[in-house]
Amino acid sequence: KAGVTQTPRYLIKTRGQQVTLSCSPISGHRSVSWYQQTPGQGLQFLFEYFSETQRNKGNFPGRFSGRQFSNSRSEMNVSTLELGDSALYLCASSRTGTAYNEQFFGPGTRLTVL
Amino acid sequence: SQELEQSPQSLIVQEGKNLTINCTSSKTLYGLYWYKQKYGEGLIFLMMLQKGGEEKSHEKITAKLDEKKQQSSLHITASQPSHAGIYLCGADASSRLTFGEGTQLTVNP
Repeated sequence: KAGVTQTPRYLIKTRGQQVTLSCSPISGHRSVSWYQQTPGQGLQFLFEYFSETQRNKGNFPGRFSGRQFSNSRSEMNVSTLELGDSALYLCASSRTGTAYNEQFFGPGTRLTVL
Repeated sequence: SQELEQSPQSLIVQEGKNLTINCTSSKTLYGLYWYKQKYGEGLIFLMMLQKGGEEKSHEKITAKLDEKKQQSSLHITASQPSHAGIYLCGADASSRLTFGEGTQLTVNP
């Protein structure tokens, strides 16, 4: 069974640009969550999608958005990039969500904002 | 909000030694996850604990959740260089995971 895949693995952008990251969950998993990992803040929850609906959202500005498609693949978009958005972005998939469900993470997308 | 504190922050051991990493929560844990991460890479799922007093083992790694469900420990027996990495505990909090800051483990051959 294929694991969670994320594309691209690395991205370099400049301030003010926008970026879209993609996550394909494990087959049969309907929940996709996104996390931002930085040395200073650690792992922080961005949002969770289930059956194409955003079910939960963390404390991030509106520049961070996402969506989920009917095949459960998810995309995350960051507009008007800032230097502080440089981070490792991780997505996790599970069958129905975090409640007592195992969450499996992808390899991450390393975003560098110059 | 739920906060997780891990100790120690870093650990250096000689190959073959046993070690323990602790994770303490400010609130009752209803789902406690242990993950391992190689620097800059994704998280590898190790174990999930739910019930007070629960203990799970996989190969040389054992994780326990205390009876009060506010503390978990991860124990590695006879450590190997392949165990090196960052160990993270995560708590299920309102359909999202909250993570500790991680424990950096170095195993010297």
